[in-house]
Amino acid sequence: DGGITQSPKYLFRKEGQNVTLSCEQNLNHDAMYWYRQDPGQGLRLIYYSQIVNDFQKGDIAEGYSVSREKKESFPLTVTSAQKNPTAFYLCASARAEIDYEQYFGPGTRLTVT
Amino acid sequence: SQQGEEDPQALSIQEGENATMNCSYKTSINNLQWYRQNSGRGLVHLILIRSNEREKHSGRLRVTLDTSKKSSSLLITASRAADTASYFCATWSLVSSGSARQLTFGSGTQLTVLP
Repeated sequence: DGGITQSPKYLFRKEGQNVTLSCEQNLNHDAMYWYRQDPGQGLRLIYYSQIVNDFQKGDIAEGYSVSREKKESFPLTVTSAQKNPTAFYLCASARAEIDYEQYFGPGTRLTVT
Repeated sequence: SQQGEEDPQALSIQEGENATMNCSYKTSINNLQWYRQNSGRGLVHLILIRSNEREKHSGRLRVTLDTSKKSSSLLITASRAADTASYFCATWSLVSSGSARQLTFGSGTQLTVLP
């Protein structure tokens, strides 16, 4: 899992509540990413950030929000507007140059009931 | 959108056998990457093959790339029970909502190596 940490590993929330997932990296990477993974599926991009104070929507950004105030940190908030938030969330980072490999955190499994 | 698609979806073999997984993609690429994911864990980068390479080795891993067929294969030789995991191919493609590029993953091959 390299130098990326995600917390918590498991998270349980009631429907209608916002929840924030933490992602921290000490790899000095400029780019950071949030993915969602559903059972038996690949990864889908939620948000990405290529530099501090800048971030862009991925393929499935609706119902999510992010911030990038520090290079090391890229927290993801799952809002009550996300219709189906229960999933496995993965954070990744990469060097600024495109086409390099990404380094992943261990993931957070979010269950909303 | 799924840029890469792995085949088969699931593969079960005996320890010591070789495992071959295939990946097809749609658009032109600069490189193709393979990742491994143990159950409930993050992904780990295995190997990257550039578009001008046809074959690459790393330990027991052998990756081939055929850009004319837009396909790649991952071969794991002399498999071990510890190789049990999901394997994903990934390629860079344009983000649908902007002009930046994203790493797009297929849905993966679930490999089970029986002891």
